[in-house]
Amino acid sequence: DGGITQSPKYLFRKEGQNVTLSCEQNLNHDAMYWYRQDPGQGLRLIYYSQIVNDFQKGDIAEGYSVSREKKESFPLTVTSAQKNPTAFYLCASVRGGGDQPQHFGDGTRLSIL
Amino acid sequence: QKEVEQNSGPLSVPEGAIASLNCTYSDRGSQSFFWYRQYSGKSPELIMFIYSNGDKEDGRFTAQLNKASQYVSLLIRDSQPSDSATYLCAVRGGATNKLIFGTGTLLAVQP
Repeated sequence: DGGITQSPKYLFRKEGQNVTLSCEQNLNHDAMYWYRQDPGQGLRLIYYSQIVNDFQKGDIAEGYSVSREKKESFPLTVTSAQKNPTAFYLCASVRGGGDQPQHFGDGTRLSIL
Repeated sequence: QKEVEQNSGPLSVPEGAIASLNCTYSDRGSQSFFWYRQYSGKSPELIMFIYSNGDKEDGRFTAQLNKASQYVSLLIRDSQPSDSATYLCAVRGGATNKLIFGTGTLLAVQP
């Protein structure tokens, strides 16, 4: 089945540790996005990529890094510089540009140990 | 002023009634508008999208767009308890082409 797969579902980070969240899609979508959602808040854009080997910062990129080496994969690293990483992280993808809607993976819930 | 504004709710409606969810946006150049449903602890799920002024219907859902007044709404007819969720409005900005989300409206359908 086509879809967006995020792993793991739950992740715990120790102080000073970098962790990487996986996002894979087999929809042949060009653009991929990472969002962060805090309780009672909307989604905030961390990074996005419209083509392979290219990505742009979103509104809250500090403390995060990404790569886009393959069309189907867009991993997000939460670095130790991100002091408040506890949140629900959502990956989305969209076919082409323009007006197509984004579709989301099931999310990764990150907590601090 | 927030870029996309929604009343946080909760909006409580009885089963079988019409639920009306509203969203206003600030970027007059916005071109496309999306409604997502998010159950507690789950990821957002696309319900509807609309690009042109007027109404767009899909089953029990109707999206309404008024670009002159800069608002978009979602009507849910014959509301069911299973419709109880947070509804997120998202607007694709005219200048940046990025999707901007509102904070969502919590809908509670009472059996």
